[in-house]
Amino acid sequence: QKEVEQNSGPLSVPEGAIASLNCTYSDRGSQSFFWYRQYSGKSPELIMSIYSNGDKEDGRFTAQLNKASQYVSLLIRDSQPSDSATYLCAVWAGGFKTIFGAGTRLFVKA
Amino acid sequence: GAVVSQHPSWVICKSGTSVKIECRSLDFQATTMFWYRQFPKQSLMLMATSNEGSKATYEQGVEKDKFLINHASLTLSTLTVTSAHPEDSSFYICSAPVRQGETQYFGPGTRLLVL
Repeated sequence: QKEVEQNSGPLSVPEGAIASLNCTYSDRGSQSFFWYRQYSGKSPELIMSIYSNGDKEDGRFTAQLNKASQYVSLLIRDSQPSDSATYLCAVWAGGFKTIFGAGTRLFVKA
Repeated sequence: GAVVSQHPSWVICKSGTSVKIECRSLDFQATTMFWYRQFPKQSLMLMATSNEGSKATYEQGVEKDKFLINHASLTLSTLTVTSAHPEDSSFYICSAPVRQGETQYFGPGTRLLVL
């Protein structure tokens, strides 16, 4: 069974620090990877997608993918209290299906 | 990005009644939609895959006779919670991808409270 694993946290970082969120997946053939942010009481929203090995940057967010290690991460630079949320890692499972990790709760302390 | 809407955004009902939740893709056609349930402070749990023109596929442990899914058009899927009970109170969210291998677009969710 295909799986996506995340540390549930909570991960607590001070304002201005770098938050590092990690995710591993079981299907070596996976090709598409996503990070979503979910605020409490809201539905998930896409932050970034990544398809190739290496880094992809978008503003304060950097997604890193290492297919050989089956590992994908999200770095948030200059973390702000507004970044406090649950971050979901997701992996394309073929067809239209995506498998989601359980999420990592991030707290950014002011 | 693509837009997915849900209606209603919240609903309160009495135990034993049925509740219908609609999920619409507003600017794209979705042959497949997904329904999730999320209890407070818990993970997103996939309930079922809604397939346009065919039967839904339910995840293990989800009662298909209790959670009726209809995907009658390329832009609309409905989830009906039949004979709702307080334990069905939860946050129900739908999602749809535009293309295979690409991101899921989530609806804003429907909060159900069964009294």
